[in-house]
Amino acid sequence: GGIITQTPKFLIGQEGQKLTLKCQQNFNHDTMYWYRQDSGKGLRLIYYSITENDLQKGDLSEGYDASREKKSSFSLTVTSAQKNEMAVFLCASSAGWEGQNTLYFGAGTRLSVL
Amino acid sequence: SQWGEENLQALSIQEGEDVTMNCSYKTYTTVVHWYRQDSGRGPALIILIRSNEREKRSGRLRATLDTSSQSSSLSITAAQCEDTAVYFCATHRNSGGSNYKLTFGKGTLLTVTP
Repeated sequence: GGIITQTPKFLIGQEGQKLTLKCQQNFNHDTMYWYRQDSGKGLRLIYYSITENDLQKGDLSEGYDASREKKSSFSLTVTSAQKNEMAVFLCASSAGWEGQNTLYFGAGTRLSVL
Repeated sequence: SQWGEENLQALSIQEGEDVTMNCSYKTYTTVVHWYRQDSGRGPALIILIRSNEREKRSGRLRATLDTSSQSSSLSITAAQCEDTAVYFCATHRNSGGSNYKLTFGKGTLLTVTP
């Protein structure tokens, strides 16, 4: 088995601040994802990476940057935090991008912006 | 039924009852994933059903897929309190060119009471 580790677990930022969230996986998976989950809502895809050094935009990429530094890590940057923003950011990985591959999720980073 | 822009749905049942959650999708998919998310944790896959399967079972769980009506369902037989969670369906769809992504529905919050 493997694990997805997201850091930090909680992140409090100021309006306009650049904030970086990190994700590590030890599954040796090729594909990694960042999803945003707002309270009472579903998951929306921000960025995904099919393989190391690849980046693909999701439905919600505006206001975010991502970086796949190496196969095991995928980071997400909120380029300018919005006042009163509150959401959970979920990182996931899968063996491949094909539909039959299971996504394995981390526990999330909970963001609050003052 | 999940999808579109509606908020998280909520269902409340008593222990021992059967429950069915529905999911409709708008674009062709080769597979439907059903994930379960417990409070404070990331989603975890519980059933994956492919387009050539009409039904799939796993313990007390049963998923169906009707590609002609673009809908899937997840049923839980004799629900238990530990089945309380948010349940998401997700479909694998083309996002342009050769890019595919897993897109989640808004989810159903199932509460099972003693």
